[in-house]
Amino acid sequence: TQLLEQSPQFLSIQEGENLTVYCNSSSVFSSLQWYRQEPGEGPVLLVTVVTGGEVKKLKRLTFQFGDARKDSSLHITAAQPGDTGLYLCAGAREYGNKLVFGAGTILRVKS
Amino acid sequence: DTGVSQNPRHKITKRGQNVTFRCDPISEHNRLYWYRQTLGQGPEFLTYFQNEAQLEKSRLLSDRFSAERPKGSFSTLEIQRTEQGDSAMYLCASSRDRFRGRKDGYTFGSGTRLTVV
Repeated sequence: TQLLEQSPQFLSIQEGENLTVYCNSSSVFSSLQWYRQEPGEGPVLLVTVVTGGEVKKLKRLTFQFGDARKDSSLHITAAQPGDTGLYLCAGAREYGNKLVFGAGTILRVKS
Repeated sequence: DTGVSQNPRHKITKRGQNVTFRCDPISEHNRLYWYRQTLGQGPEFLTYFQNEAQLEKSRLLSDRFSAERPKGSFSTLEIQRTEQGDSAMYLCASSRDRFRGRKDGYTFGSGTRLTVV
């Protein structure tokens, strides 16, 4: 069974602080995706990473995919209240196959 | 394309009733997925399709659950004889079958919230 473990489960920080969320597995994934989900809505895709060692930057968000394609991290610089939400990582053994999700990290950014 | 559309957004039903949900994927996506999410958890895989062919079903999907994608476009998920434990958010997603570029990914709908009373 492929499992993705996310940490921390919950993060409450002040506006302007930096944070990192981790996603780890003992399995290899050909692609890994990060989503942000707000209450009552579906997950919204932030990024897809497919190459081991890949680093992608989207404004204040930086995503890394581990060299062995078993782990990933999401780093947010200067967090804002609008970043509040549930952050989910999800991996696929092959792109186009089912996604396996982590349990998520609830982020709360206080102003 | 307006993304993945799910209907209804909310459904309240009495235990024992049947319910059906619909999902309209992004038109150029040939893969369609159903997931279930309960509070505080990540989505759990239920089943997925390549065009009209159902490729995989989770063991979570009991005999009371059935999904179809008859023409390879929209899909329906039916739950028969609903139970209180079926209460959850049912999510649909679609994707291509190959990664084509940096903006590619699985796109989720807003979900259908089912409450069984």
